[in-house]
Amino acid sequence: GENVEQHPSTLSVQEGDSAVIKCTYSDSASNYFPWYKQELGKRPQLIIDIRSNVGEKKDQRIAVTLNKTAKHFSLHITETQPEDSAVYFCAASIQFTGNQFYFGTGTSLTVIP
Amino acid sequence: KAGVTQTPRYLIKTRGQQVTLSCSPISGHRSVSWYQQTPGQGLQFLFEYFSETQRNKGNFPGRFSGRQFSNSRSEMNVSTLELGDSALYLCASSLASSTDTQYFGPGTRLTVL
Repeated sequence: GENVEQHPSTLSVQEGDSAVIKCTYSDSASNYFPWYKQELGKRPQLIIDIRSNVGEKKDQRIAVTLNKTAKHFSLHITETQPEDSAVYFCAASIQFTGNQFYFGTGTSLTVIP
Repeated sequence: KAGVTQTPRYLIKTRGQQVTLSCSPISGHRSVSWYQQTPGQGLQFLFEYFSETQRNKGNFPGRFSGRQFSNSRSEMNVSTLELGDSALYLCASSLASSTDTQYFGPGTRLTVL
């Protein structure tokens, strides 16, 4: 089955700096990659996603890049703010086969004011 | 529109007992997925139900089972509880396909003593 690895497990940045979280996947059939943000004590929420026919997607301060050949994708957060502090999870799935998502183990991001 | 709800929010059980957790999806959502979240393993996929049928299944033992009712509400059952089953159990609902946004419930915190 699919194996998703996520790095780093913890990340601290100064407010205003950029943060990058990287994930690799093993199954070349995976073609949909969402990212979730989970604040302490709250449920995960989708923040951005990318399909395998796209190399990059941006939404304001958040962007995701995908390299299908290398089987890795990354989350980029620019101009970080304290409210960005949370645990971020990447995931991979195969479209059109239902909702079977393989998640990374999460990155705890701390933005230092 | 009401969000995904899960009951109960907290449960304490002893080894060997069984437990049933409930998930009510967002109105109109037909897919319900279940995940186990632990600090070391992150989110692990248990199974997904769509239109009362199990559409996908993760790598968990047969002690973990589920079902979905005609109104899309879902239950998961864990029999013969083990200490290692202590975790946050999250359900997520979506319209149908893997590229529809998954909305997570608040989770049920299960503690096995």
